[in-house]
Amino acid sequence: DQQVKQNSPSLSVQEGRISILNCDYTNSMFDYFLWYKKYPAEGPTFLISISSIKDKNEDGRFTVFLNKSAKHLSLHIVPSQPGDSAVYFCAASAANTGNQFYFGTGTSLTVIP
Amino acid sequence: GAVVSQHPSRVICKSGTSVKIECRSLDFQATTMFWYRQFPKKSLMLMATSNEGSKATYEQGVEKDKFLINHASLTLSTLTVTSAHPEDSSFYICSAIVGRTDTQYFGPGTRLTVL
Repeated sequence: DQQVKQNSPSLSVQEGRISILNCDYTNSMFDYFLWYKKYPAEGPTFLISISSIKDKNEDGRFTVFLNKSAKHLSLHIVPSQPGDSAVYFCAASAANTGNQFYFGTGTSLTVIP
Repeated sequence: GAVVSQHPSRVICKSGTSVKIECRSLDFQATTMFWYRQFPKKSLMLMATSNEGSKATYEQGVEKDKFLINHASLTLSTLTVTSAHPEDSSFYICSAIVGRTDTQYFGPGTRLTVL
């Protein structure tokens, strides 16, 4: 079964508003989480990460929140821009698995001008 | 839910040998599989797109004679790194999709170390 889940296949947001992308995981051993952004015909580009010792990491317009008790992480983009339109994947890894990555299935974000 | 597996999860080999990595969709038939290589800054570089029964489409700069991709069935694609060299050491990840969709199912990756 999928160990990392993104239950929303798509999301539309008005330009300037906040985009919130969600990700849930089942393996409590995961201790490192990443968000990737993917444009068509390209590989996913690393966006931001967070380790399990933190509950928040911020980089410019992008903030990732981690709720370990709920096994949930989210990516906030504020303000959203049309160039943010892409597919976003979350991924998780655990130190004891040799850092294999487990990806969610992606959420397609459309930012409407 | 859909699962993609990769085998082996890690492999260490000597320079000059060939290594085969398998990517399987366990409970669904994948129309297309992708092979990626992860670079130190964590981003994934798309190497090739593989459709069952046809030749893989390689991205610019990827040597198709070095990275042989075979998509023998709707549930299996293989990547063979031929005459591996230390610079081929990396993390290789596959993913699979069904039809035309943004939803991708990623494998957990294979760590290749070439000595």
